[in-house]
Amino acid sequence: DIQMTQSPSSLSASVGDRVTITCRASQSINNFLNWYQQKPGKAPKLLIYTASILQSGVPSRFSGSGSGTDFTLTISSLQPEDFATYYCQQSYSTPRITFGGGTNVDIK
Amino acid sequence: QFQLVQSGAEVKKPGASVTVSCKASGYSFMYYGLSWVRQAPGQGLEWMGWISAYDGKTNYAQNFQGRVTMTADTSSSTANMELRSLRSDDTAVYYCATSLGTSEGYYFDLWGQGTLVTVSS
Repeated sequence: DIQMTQSPSSLSASVGDRVTITCRASQSINNFLNWYQQKPGKAPKLLIYTASILQSGVPSRFSGSGSGTDFTLTISSLQPEDFATYYCQQSYSTPRITFGGGTNVDIK
Repeated sequence: QFQLVQSGAEVKKPGASVTVSCKASGYSFMYYGLSWVRQAPGQGLEWMGWISAYDGKTNYAQNFQGRVTMTADTSSSTANMELRSLRSDDTAVYYCATSLGTSEGYYFDLWGQGTLVTVSS
């Protein structure tokens, strides 16, 4: 199975900061990479699919990039509602998908 | 409105089995696959497996092979996930999720609300 490694596993940031989260695949997955946001007690929410396409309704401060094995999720200006855990997910080997370990973004 | 509504919380003893259901509405259930994902307390997301609602074909994660069975009933637009021989480390929230998007790639744009399964003696 394809392994997904996220870094960092946690970070502290302030409102207005630019935040970058990385995700690395154990083999090339082309651009079959998705990003989710999860808040405590809630189901994950799709933010970005196919590496860089913003899901409908998601604020434009979120962006994704990358291809092959290395991907990034960027929040251009962190807002109070963005404090959450973020997961990447590969869909190259659909339906055998795998998630990254998650990145917890909390308040500095 | 697209929805996946899951069954309620369960408490089970070690060695028992649990079945979690996931009822779909607002879309043509039989034309989409559905995955199950679990999340242990304080941990990340773990994919358990996938079922085609169209023909019942399944694909299970290696960690659950032999212990999980996923089914889909198109007459009631309901998917079920049975996990057997429960252990304490099966305590988790179990989610069903599907991909309704028309773009290339398999991304979960619809999730159930989650079902907490607690395994305790």
